[in-house]
Order: sequence, then C-alpha cells, then structure tokens
Amino acid sequence: ELKVEQNPLFLSMQEGKNYTIYCNYSTTSDRLYWYRQDPGKSLESLFVLLSNGAVKQEGRLMASLDTKARLSTLHITAAVHDLSATYFCAVDRAETSYDKVIFGPGTSLSVIP
Amino acid sequence: NAGVMQNPRHLVRRRGQEARLRCSPMKGHSHVYWYRQLPEEGLKFMVYLQKENIIDESGMPKERFSAEFPKEGPSILRIQQVVRGDSAAYFCASSPSSGAQPQHFGDGTRLSIL
Repeated sequence: ELKVEQNPLFLSMQEGKNYTIYCNYSTTSDRLYWYRQDPGKSLESLFVLLSNGAVKQEGRLMASLDTKARLSTLHITAAVHDLSATYFCAVDRAETSYDKVIFGPGTSLSVIP
Repeated sequence: NAGVMQNPRHLVRRRGQEARLRCSPMKGHSHVYWYRQLPEEGLKFMVYLQKENIIDESGMPKERFSAEFPKEGPSILRIQQVVRGDSAAYFCASSPSSGAQPQHFGDGTRLSIL
C-alpha cells in the first residue's frame, strides 16, 4: 500500500529564513505533486514532478524529486508571510492506469515577522 | 473558463438525514475525484469516476455512501443517514485525462452534522 509521509508536520519560521519540507513515499511512483491550501480554501497546484532529478522553481519555492530515494523536497527561500499555508505532497500510484493520487498529511507553515 | 464548481459550500444536516454534494468539473474534464478532509488532516481519496462509470471506489465506506457521474449534469456524492463522524470537508477534483495532470480542485463542501 502506498504511503506518503511529510515532515515536519508543523513549521514556524521567521521571515527571510530558508527551510525545506520533505516528502517520502513508500512505493514506486511516476509522478509527484505539490499543492498549497490556505485555511478554509481549496487546493492550488504548485508543481508537477515527472522524472528523477526533476527540479522546478516558482518564486521563493523550489521542488525536486529523487525517485530512487523516493523523496521530494520543497525548499523555501527567504520566506515571507504570504507563504503561510498548508503544503501537501501527493503521489500517483504507478501500478494504476489512472491518477489515483495519495496525499501526505500536509505541512502547516507559519511565517512570522 | 470556470473552475471546478461545488455546491453547496456549507451544508448542515441532522443525524439520520441525507446529504447530497454536487460537483461540476471544469469544462472539457471527464475525470472526477472525490476526497474527504477531516480537520487538521490531509485529503483521503474516496472515489474516482468518469461519465456514467465508477472506476475506483476503494476509498469510500461500503455503507451509506454512494457516488455517480451521469451523462448529463454534475457528479453527486450522496451520504445517507448521516452520523457525526461524517462531518468533514469534501473536495471534488477534475482532470482532462489520466496521466501527468494535476487535478483541479473545487472549493469544497463543509458538511456539519448536528
């Protein structure tokens, strides 16, 4: 059974600091997604990572994928308050022919001045 | 181009009543997914549908829950005889096809059971 773990689950960081959120998954997968969720809101797609070594960047966020280690990272550079949200990674089950996506528990990020 | 539309946004039911949640996918999307999110938790997959077909309902409780995606109209998630434990946010997502596509999420329906 595919399991997706994230750490940390809660993160409080000061503005201007850097930090990394980790996402581990238990079985082979072809695709990894990162989503953002603001309180009481829907999920917004941030990144889709499709292959080993993939790296994508958008603003202060950079995501990478190591399929051999079954690990993805979401790196935050020089955090600002607007990045406060919950971040989910999600993984496709490779053995299915469709997008059965399994979500991690989420990392709740608070950026404090 | 409208996104995934869910209604109602908030739904209050008493124990034993029925809850019906609706989801209209994005235009051109034929794949619909339902997820449940409990407070402070991640999303749990419930069911995946294509038009008139349930492809995978392995995440859906065997009793009281059902889903459909008819040829015409929105997808419906139906919960019969609701209990307190059904209180959660229910999200619908859609995608144009399977494979390397991020799912587009609706704003969710917050279901509260009195």
